[in-house]
Amino acid sequence: EAQVTQNPRYLITVTGKKLTVTCSQNMNHEYMSWYRQDPGLGLRQIYYSMNVEVTDKGDVPEGYKVSRKEKRNFPLILESPSPNQTSLYFCASSTGQGSPEAFFGQGTRLTVV
Amino acid sequence: DAKTTQPTSMDCAEGRAANLPCNHSTISGNEYVYWYRQIHSQGPQYIIHGLKNNETNEMASLIITEDRKSSTLILPHATLRDTAVYYCIVRVANSGGYQKVTFGTGTKLQVIP
Repeated sequence: EAQVTQNPRYLITVTGKKLTVTCSQNMNHEYMSWYRQDPGLGLRQIYYSMNVEVTDKGDVPEGYKVSRKEKRNFPLILESPSPNQTSLYFCASSTGQGSPEAFFGQGTRLTVV
Repeated sequence: DAKTTQPTSMDCAEGRAANLPCNHSTISGNEYVYWYRQIHSQGPQYIIHGLKNNETNEMASLIITEDRKSSTLILPHATLRDTAVYYCIVRVANSGGYQKVTFGTGTKLQVIP
């Protein structure tokens, strides 16, 4: 089954404790991206990647890092989480060449206390 | 990417057609109209997209006005499972490069029994 898998689905952590949210897709998609969703603000893009070792900032990259060492994986790293990073996070993938973000993960609800 | 305007919320009776409008008066000639939906807090789901001709798939129909300044997503027989937030997005497609999807706050469709 074609899918984008995020882990964990829920996470509560403390301020300053490094964490990684994993994202994996099984469709051999070139393009992957991360979004955060906050009430009243819709989905905002954090980072995206056009291929292995090619990443770029989205609209709200501050406080986040990403890596794309393999085509299928695109982890989101919070080196020093803060309470304002409490949010619902989505990973997405697409085939590229202008195609829509056709596949989203089920989301990771992060709470930073 | 062109900005879109959607009503904040709409109701639709179960079994009736749901017509969701979207204004995109500043759309450029090479920008497509895309629709996604998000059920509760799940990952957004791609529905349909089009350039200027009307489009139909197994999920919905997309009607784009002749001047392309607005469009309507039609769910022909709404069910309770269609209750979701619907996002209308315009962006360039098939450009050969990554095209970010910018989500607004969408229309909350409530299907009523």
